[in-house]
Amino acid sequence: GQSLEQPSEVTAVEGAIVQINCTYQTSGFYGLSWYQQHDGGAPTFLSYNALDGLEETGRFSSFLSRSDSYGYLLLQELQMKDSASYFCAVKAAGANNLFFGTGTRLTVIP
Amino acid sequence: ETGVTQSPTHLIKTRGQQVTLRCSSQSGHNTVSWYQQALGQGPQFIFQYYREEENGRGNFPPRFSGLQFPNYSSELNVNALELDDSALYLCASSTAGGRGTDTQYFGPGTRLTVL
Repeated sequence: GQSLEQPSEVTAVEGAIVQINCTYQTSGFYGLSWYQQHDGGAPTFLSYNALDGLEETGRFSSFLSRSDSYGYLLLQELQMKDSASYFCAVKAAGANNLFFGTGTRLTVIP
Repeated sequence: ETGVTQSPTHLIKTRGQQVTLRCSSQSGHNTVSWYQQALGQGPQFIFQYYREEENGRGNFPPRFSGLQFPNYSSELNVNALELDDSALYLCASSTAGGRGTDTQYFGPGTRLTVL
């Protein structure tokens, strides 16, 4: 089976940096994706790591270590609009679908 | 380029009824995946359609069925609705039949409430 574990809630201050972790148990997958979802909205693709290491996209960076079965999403210069739920997701080798993590609700406070 | 659209946005049904949800894929995409998202949880895969054929299915009973049309739009049908079917139903479009690393782009979802 597969599992992707994330902290359920994280709170951070506007302007700060926050890291959302994702630990996984899955045998063979293409890469680790991150999605953002505001309340009542659709998941929006943020970042994808096919290989180990850091991927940077503006204020967002994502990291993957296959040897440690671990990844994270880093959000810098936090803004109030970053308050949302964040999901890590994998596509298992041979599968057609994304398998989503448990989700982390980020609250940004002034 | 238009994004993924879904209709209706909200729907209220009673237990035992049947429902049809619709999804139009993003321009140029030939693959549609459907997910169910219960409150406070991550999306769970229902099934995927690629070039009008079912191309993978999650752990959902047969009363969840679907179609894909020649223009790659798709329908999700749920028969004999149960209270636990109340959720946000998301469709996501992509290319390449879900193979490899193609990114899935989600629609705004249909909020289904079963009373």
